[in-house]
Amino acid sequence: EDQVTQSPEALRLQEGESSSLNCSYTVSGLRGLFWYRQDPGKGPEFLFTLYSAGEEKEKERLKATLTKKESFLHITAPKPEDSATYLCAVQGPVGGYQKVTFGTGTKLQVIP
Amino acid sequence: GAVVSQHPSRVICKSGTSVKIECRSLDFQATTMFWYRQFPKQSLMLMATSNEGSKATYEQGVEKDKFLINHASLTLSTLTVTSAHPEDSSFYICSASLLGPTLQPQHFGDGTRLSIL
Repeated sequence: EDQVTQSPEALRLQEGESSSLNCSYTVSGLRGLFWYRQDPGKGPEFLFTLYSAGEEKEKERLKATLTKKESFLHITAPKPEDSATYLCAVQGPVGGYQKVTFGTGTKLQVIP
Repeated sequence: GAVVSQHPSRVICKSGTSVKIECRSLDFQATTMFWYRQFPKQSLMLMATSNEGSKATYEQGVEKDKFLINHASLTLSTLTVTSAHPEDSSFYICSASLLGPTLQPQHFGDGTRLSIL
């Protein structure tokens, strides 16, 4: 069974203080790893898809990286508006079934 | 692009009532739609996967007769919680994705907060 573990559970940063969120996964044949941002009372907002180890993607202050066992979401010089819960998810092999397994998320709070 | 609209955003009703939630893909055709349930501080739990024109695939432990899913068109899926009880109170979220030559992410609606009194 696919598993996704995210750490830390919660992270509090000062504005401008860079840090990384971790997503460890086990899946039999990774098709893709996704990062989402979720604001309170809202649905997740898609950020990145990573397909293979060594791949990196960037968007504004966020950079996602992928290895064979984990992914990191690096946040550079965060701002208060980056406060949200960040979710990681994995999708396994093709089989006519598109089930995605989600982690429990990292709740990020950026203090002005 | 890839906007998913979910309605209503909040429902409060009495025990025994049936509640229908709509999920629409506004600017793309969704071959597959998903329904999730999310509890506080827990991950998204997949309830069922639906493909347009065919029966939904339910996850283990999800009652098919309790949670009725209809995916009548490429832009609309509905979830009906039949005879809802307080234990059905939760945050329900739908998502939609395209089936393409490359892996497509799921795009989510803003969820429905269901409260059964």
